[in-house]
Amino acid sequence: EAQVTQNPRYLITVTGKKLTVTCSQNMNHEYMSWYRQDPGLGLRQIYYSMNVEVTDKGDVPEGYKVSRKEKRNFPLILESPSPNQTSLYFCASSWDRVDTEAFFGQGTRLTVV
Amino acid sequence: GEDVEQSLFLSVREGDSSVINCTYTDSSSTYLYWYKQEPGAGLQLLTYIFSNMDMKQDQRLTVLLNKKDKHLSLRIADTQTGDSAIYFCAEKGGKLIFGQGTELSVKP
Repeated sequence: EAQVTQNPRYLITVTGKKLTVTCSQNMNHEYMSWYRQDPGLGLRQIYYSMNVEVTDKGDVPEGYKVSRKEKRNFPLILESPSPNQTSLYFCASSWDRVDTEAFFGQGTRLTVV
Repeated sequence: GEDVEQSLFLSVREGDSSVINCTYTDSSSTYLYWYKQEPGAGLQLLTYIFSNMDMKQDQRLTVLLNKKDKHLSLRIADTQTGDSAIYFCAEKGGKLIFGQGTELSVKP
């Protein structure tokens, strides 16, 4: 089954404690991206990757890092989380940047206290 | 910059039609999308329309595009309780830009 898998689904952490949210896709997609969803703001892109070892900032990259060492994986790293990073995070993938359909993961709800 | 706007809430009775509206600013958009997000789930592509089309119909869903006014709408006919969800409008010029989402509540 074609899917995008994120882990964990829920995470509560403390300010400053490094964390990684994993994302994996099994569709051999080249393009992957991370979004955060906040009430009244919709989805905002954090980072995206056009292919292996190619990443770039989205609209709200501050406080986040990503890596793309393999095509299928695109982890989101918060080196020093802060409460304003409490949000619902989605990973998405598609064939390329202009592909019609993006496939989304189930989401990771992160709370930073 | 590019922007996509939606109203935040819509409440309808089961069996009625729902119309969710969206406005966008990027005139270079090639595709416009409607995504559905059910509680606790990710986004699922419902339908999309190419920018040179005015209308697209798919079973209970009708998408209308007014390119001059940069207005997109999604009509759901015979709305069911299972249609309760958040609906996101999105446009793609160079990248995908989402609206805030419209929470559709369907009352029996």
